[in-house]
Parts: sequence; C-alpha cells; structure tokens
Amino acid sequence: QQPVQSPQAVILREGEDAVINCSSSKALYSVHWYRQKHGEAPVFLMILLKGGEQKGHDKISASFNEKKQQSSLYLTASQLSYSGTYFCGTPTGTYKYIFGTGTRLKVLA
Amino acid sequence: SAVISQKPSRDICQRGTSLTIQCQVDSQVTMMFWYRQQPGQSLTLIATANQGSEATYESGFVIDKFPISRPNLTFSTLTVSNMSPEDSSIYLCSAAGGADTGELFFGEGSRLTVL
Repeated sequence: QQPVQSPQAVILREGEDAVINCSSSKALYSVHWYRQKHGEAPVFLMILLKGGEQKGHDKISASFNEKKQQSSLYLTASQLSYSGTYFCGTPTGTYKYIFGTGTRLKVLA
Repeated sequence: SAVISQKPSRDICQRGTSLTIQCQVDSQVTMMFWYRQQPGQSLTLIATANQGSEATYESGFVIDKFPISRPNLTFSTLTVSNMSPEDSSIYLCSAAGGADTGELFFGEGSRLTVL
C-alpha cells in the first residue's frame, strides 16, 4: 500500500525549517528519500535504516516514530535549492520500492 | 553512481501506435526498472527488466501492453503499445546495484503525449 505523505505542499522562506512525514500502514524497516525538481530525474537524498542509522545527505536528517510506521524528514535552514517534490520510498523487494504520495516544497528568497 | 540516458526525451504520438523508449546506463548495474509518473503524481513501478529473460511485471501492467527488453547489463527498452490518451505520462528508467545504500538512479524520463 502506498505510503501517505504530509503535508502535500509547503512554502518556506529561505532559512526556515520543514518537516515532511511519510506514513505507512505497516512497520517501516527502511525508508529512502528522494527529491525531484520539475522536469528532472528524482535524486536520492538519504536512507533511514531500521536502527535509526542514516546514510546520505549531510544537511538533511530523518527519523522513525515509536511504532516505526512513520518516518519524518527534517530540512533545516532551507536553501533555494531545496525546492522540489519529495518522495519517500519503502522497500517491497530487492531494490524495489513503493513511493509515497509526494510533498511539494517551495523555498522563497 | 550511474548516469542514465533515455531517449526520446519527449514525443507526441497518435492513438493506436506504439513507441519504444531506450535506456542506457553508463556502468554495469544489477537491476533495471521502468516507472511511470503521471503529471503531478508519484512514481509507479511498471516492471523489473531482467537481463536475458522476460521482465517481471507489477500488478496492473502486462507484457502485451508494455513489452520490455534487456539484452545486456547496461541497456533496456520499454515499448508502449497500441497507445491511448490514458498512456500520456512520463516513463522513467531506473537502475540500482552500484551503491551500498540501495539507492535508485533515474533517467530524466520520456514524456509521452498521446493524441
């Protein structure tokens, strides 16, 4: 079942923080996060592993909630380059993922 | 990392025709996939392209409509057959196996418009 992301869209000023949530009906064992700019390929940001370990972007972090049915992506001190649509992806097989509904983020100067 | 090239990048097609999209990866990868992304929507996996054998299709997608080939480790094609306006979408090629994060690398997509 497709993970549901919230919010659907968010507008920030440069330097502000944002949180994007990815909710699943089942416990999450790992979560990938991607960002897609308009007309471009999705780009991998980071992976959050079941023990809370993270690999990837050094200015973006993520966590699980207690029941591990939700992952949150934390964008701190947003930059203009952070604008785009964010997707979480949860594994369904080897390198196979189901992607969330997406969150459109726009950072204004 | 892997760089993925797709062509065509966009095309306008007539109803009832078929179009083949090509995907080339610049390095050998373990897995290749094809996704569909309708405008403003999320990514939906169509199938896994298996080297030298039939592709593995996800629920709702069939070989007759989306035949896929993968003759070697770095190249794959997706054909959208007997197109209808409902097939208007962005089709993305993806590859994995080159990084310990399990990340997917994506091409920039092929935007098809069916009239």
